[in-house]
Amino acid sequence: GQSLEQPSEVTAVEGAIVQINCTYQTSGFYGLSWYQQHDGGAPTFLSYNGLDGLEETGRFSSFLSRSDSYGYLLLQELQMKDSASYFCAVRAVWNSGNTPLVFGKGTRLSVIA
Amino acid sequence: DAGVIQSPRHEVTEMGQEVTLRCKPISGHDYLFWYRQTMMRGLELLIYFNNNVPIDDSGMPEDRFSAKMPNASFSTLKIQPSEPRDSAVYFCASTNNLLGDSYNEQFFGPGTRLTVL
Repeated sequence: GQSLEQPSEVTAVEGAIVQINCTYQTSGFYGLSWYQQHDGGAPTFLSYNGLDGLEETGRFSSFLSRSDSYGYLLLQELQMKDSASYFCAVRAVWNSGNTPLVFGKGTRLSVIA
Repeated sequence: DAGVIQSPRHEVTEMGQEVTLRCKPISGHDYLFWYRQTMMRGLELLIYFNNNVPIDDSGMPEDRFSAKMPNASFSTLKIQPSEPRDSAVYFCASTNNLLGDSYNEQFFGPGTRLTVL
């Protein structure tokens, strides 16, 4: 089966840096993605890592280590508007042989003043 | 572009009633996904289509759930009969380019919050 593990909650101070980890155990692997979801909203795509290393997009960076089945999302210069849930998602092989996205349970980030 | 459109945004119904959720994907996207989100189970894929053809429905919880995509711009998810445990937020998402990296970037609609009493 497929499993993705990420912390359920994280709290950080405005202006600080926070790292949200994701470990996965899947059949096959075709990349790790991160999505953000504000309360009452829809998930929105943040980043994708297909290869090992760091991808940077503005204040957000995402890292992948395929040998460790591990990745993280790094948020810098935290702002109050970053308070949201963050999901890691992996393209993995299902029993059917297809490779849709499998989402983790999400990490709820609270940014405090 | 208007993004993925879902209707209704909220639905309250009684147990045993039929529920139909609707989705219009982004024009030009050839993949459409139906997800269900609950606190307990998170975001689960129910079924997805490619070029209007169902590819994988192994996430559909039981025979009470069915989905169709009669054309490239419209899909429905039907629950018949509905039960209280079906209460959740149902999202539709679309994307294109399965083999490329962009497949991982899915565009979600605003969701339908379903409450079954």
